[in-house]
Amino acid sequence: DVKVTQSSRYLVKRTGEKVFLECVQDMDHENMFWYRQDPGLGLRLIYFSYDVKMKEKGDIPEGYSVSREKKERFSLILESASTNQTSMYLCASSPGDHYGYTFGSGTRLTVV
Amino acid sequence: KQEVTQIPAALSVPEGENLVLNCSFTDSAIYNLQWFRQDPGKGLTSLLLIQSSQREQTSGRLNASLDKSSGRSTLYIAASQPGDSATYLCAVMDTGRRALTFGSGTRLQVQP
Repeated sequence: DVKVTQSSRYLVKRTGEKVFLECVQDMDHENMFWYRQDPGLGLRLIYFSYDVKMKEKGDIPEGYSVSREKKERFSLILESASTNQTSMYLCASSPGDHYGYTFGSGTRLTVV
Repeated sequence: KQEVTQIPAALSVPEGENLVLNCSFTDSAIYNLQWFRQDPGKGLTSLLLIQSSQREQTSGRLNASLDKSSGRSTLYIAASQPGDSATYLCAVMDTGRRALTFGSGTRLQVQP
């Protein structure tokens, strides 16, 4: 089975901090994704990557950046954390375009 | 822009009942549709993936159908059990995008 691992289940950070959320997959998947999930708003796409060093903006990229230096790892970076970035962050991967997704268990981030 | 709607938002049924969850999408030009399950505070677990050329997929007590031309999918759960209690999300991959667009989910509670 494909495994997608998010390094932290819970994080508490202060306003203005630079925050790194890490995601690693172990099945050589081409595509990786970051979503955030908020009550009443559902899952919204932040960024995705379809190859090493390649990235594409999703629906809500403002305040975020990403890094994919190795195929198995996709990092989400909050340049200067703000309270409105308090959310559940979900990472996913897929073998390529038009294939099913596998999700990690999520990181619940609280910015105080 | 693709929009995905799930009705009802919440559903409570007694154990043993057969039930149907609905998903509709506005742009019928899709590659596939995927159903997920999410337990509280957890990540998403993939249940079924239907390619645009398929009409339905089955896994155990779950059956998902797809009517691409009308922009609808249903998830049928047979003989529901308390362990089926979760939020069920549908998501579509449309031809204009390389990432899934999600509905807001149906929260299901199966009463023992």
